[in-house]
Amino acid sequence: DSGVTQTPKHLITATGQRVTLRCSPRSGDLSVYWYQQSLDQGLQFLIQYYNGEERAKGNILERFSAQQFPDLHSELNLSSLELGDSALYFCASSVAVNSYNEQFFGPGTRLTVL
Amino acid sequence: QQQVKQSPQSLIVQKGGISIINCAYENTAFDYFPWYQQFPGKGPALLIAIRPDVSEKKEGRFTISFNKSAKQFSLHIMDSQPGDSATYFCAAKYDNAGNMLTFGGGTRLMVKP
Repeated sequence: DSGVTQTPKHLITATGQRVTLRCSPRSGDLSVYWYQQSLDQGLQFLIQYYNGEERAKGNILERFSAQQFPDLHSELNLSSLELGDSALYFCASSVAVNSYNEQFFGPGTRLTVL
Repeated sequence: QQQVKQSPQSLIVQKGGISIINCAYENTAFDYFPWYQQFPGKGPALLIAIRPDVSEKKEGRFTISFNKSAKQFSLHIMDSQPGDSATYFCAAKYDNAGNMLTFGGGTRLMVKP
């Protein structure tokens, strides 16, 4: 158990809908990362927050947004969902943003868009 | 642009054998190369990592070999066990403001008893 929690575990929804994925980082970790894992694209970095502030953006679609709250939990919002958004979404956390800080991954949320 | 290329996509090894997974990278700014292990239904977990100032790092049965000039690194699993059956990802990152991981495509390893 990495100490990172993600809810829900599974999510099934329809095209055009909006969903929110939630992540609670390990106790003491200030940085949160979101990754998408799909069969065709592999594991891809989406976005990172550090202590409430956005620090880096990767291949995140404009339909997707995220935020980190004062209690350090983070939410990833996916809107106008398309079939291709079906994937595993992982949250990871680390103590800080130093290059050598280990990132601990949560168990993921499996999103299915029908 | 795929900045980290991983091979093979799948690998079958007999129990007790050596599993070898290779990765090549393009961005010379990368300065940290971790390997992650992922079991079905779980998130990736850090297995072992190396910085480019060393050519090899060993932790138990797991060894990373690093060739800076060739921009390649590899994971060797000695005495492979059925419990090692998992998907392995190499990754790379550099000390920018974001500290994001760039992953290889993954290798599904099966160790036969």
